[in-house]
Amino acid sequence: AQSVAQPEDQVNVAEGNPLTVKCTYSVSGNPYLFWYVQYPNRGLQFLLKYITGDNLVKGSYGFEAEFNKSQTSFHLKKPSALVSDSALYFCAVRDIRNFNKFYFGSGTKLNVKP
Amino acid sequence: DGGITQSPKYLFRKEGQNVTLSCEQNLNHDAMYWYRQDPGQGLRLIYYSQIVNDFQKGDIAEGYSVSREKKESFPLTVTSAQKNPTAFYLCASSTSAGVSYNEQFFGPGTRLTVL
Repeated sequence: AQSVAQPEDQVNVAEGNPLTVKCTYSVSGNPYLFWYVQYPNRGLQFLLKYITGDNLVKGSYGFEAEFNKSQTSFHLKKPSALVSDSALYFCAVRDIRNFNKFYFGSGTKLNVKP
Repeated sequence: DGGITQSPKYLFRKEGQNVTLSCEQNLNHDAMYWYRQDPGQGLRLIYYSQIVNDFQKGDIAEGYSVSREKKESFPLTVTSAQKNPTAFYLCASSTSAGVSYNEQFFGPGTRLTVL
């Protein structure tokens, strides 16, 4: 079965510090991985994806993610956090057996304090 | 502007009533989805559709129904059989299986509250 896990319900960082939001995956075959952000009472917004190629993927709003095959991880990172980055972040994987299905992690609430 | 619209933004339902949530997209996407979001549980798939006039149950389809008569539209009906329908409902779309690396696009959501 395809799945992703986000081990942290909440991450707290100070503005200006680097941030990491963790995601691990379990898939058979090559993974198609995604990160989304959700602001309160809004839909999810796409940040970035890993399909193949470079392990460091750059996305929107200064975010990047590092794909690590040996650790089956796809952690979201940003060198310098902003208060406006405070939101709920979801990791997702696309099912390689049924490409029209996506599996989402439980979400990580990021709090960036001034 | 291309995108997905959902209406209404807020919906209140009395117990025993059926309600229908609207989802429209103008992205020319083949696949459409309905998710339910509850606090601390992430997104759970209710139904999805890969093509017009075809749809499949997701993980929590009981008490819900859908139709896909047009490519642009994928309405969700929450029936009285759904025992705990209060939640935030999200509609999404994506390109078809032939373009497997593309992401989903999400609508703004509908918050349903049972009175």
